[in-house]
Amino acid sequence: GESVGLHLPTLSVQEGDNSIINCAYSNSASDYFIWYKQESGKGPQFIIDIRSNMDKRQGQRVTVLLNKTVKHLSLQIAATQPGDSAVYFCAELPPGGSYIPTFGRGTSLIVHP
Amino acid sequence: DAGVTQSPTHLIKTRGQQVTLRCSPKSGHDTVSWYQQALGQGPQFIFQYYEEEERQRGNFPDRFSGHQFPNYSSELNVNALWLGDSALYLCASSLVDSRGEQFFGPGTRLTVL
Repeated sequence: GESVGLHLPTLSVQEGDNSIINCAYSNSASDYFIWYKQESGKGPQFIIDIRSNMDKRQGQRVTVLLNKTVKHLSLQIAATQPGDSAVYFCAELPPGGSYIPTFGRGTSLIVHP
Repeated sequence: DAGVTQSPTHLIKTRGQQVTLRCSPKSGHDTVSWYQQALGQGPQFIFQYYEEEERQRGNFPDRFSGHQFPNYSSELNVNALWLGDSALYLCASSLVDSRGEQFFGPGTRLTVL
């Protein structure tokens, strides 16, 4: 039979639109969060991070929002481009100086020209 | 700077065999972490090496072992392969205690038949 694990959540957008990718994290004690982008045939690439003492952080065309009350992260990509097509992962790190991120399942972003 | 490199890029093995995967870290990095990424899933942490010692380990059986060499390069060994070991194996390098700032290689795609 077909494996549920093969079906990533998918977001399809038109070029130029804004994209919002959501992530629910598991550990309420996590104090550091990272978004990664993984293109086909490549390893994950760091996009942006945020610490738990912040609720918003902006980078170039990307913004991460953190809602600790509901353990939710979002990644907003402005003016999405075809080169943004990839799988996006959020990752959390627990407190105590852990250096190992725990990755979520990922969302596939497809940008149509 | 070549970044993190891994070899081989693809590998096919049969059940019961053993495999060795190799990783060269980004120049200047001293810490290497290994991850297993099943299809449609986020990377799962296997272990981390620093100063030629296993520093931290994830929830993987003893069939998974590793080594770090004086030049900081690393190997991942998996014994008694079974079908469920089929995955993309990612190596990430960092500086020790650089929280979250890992650079990933492109991975080795292992298929176990």
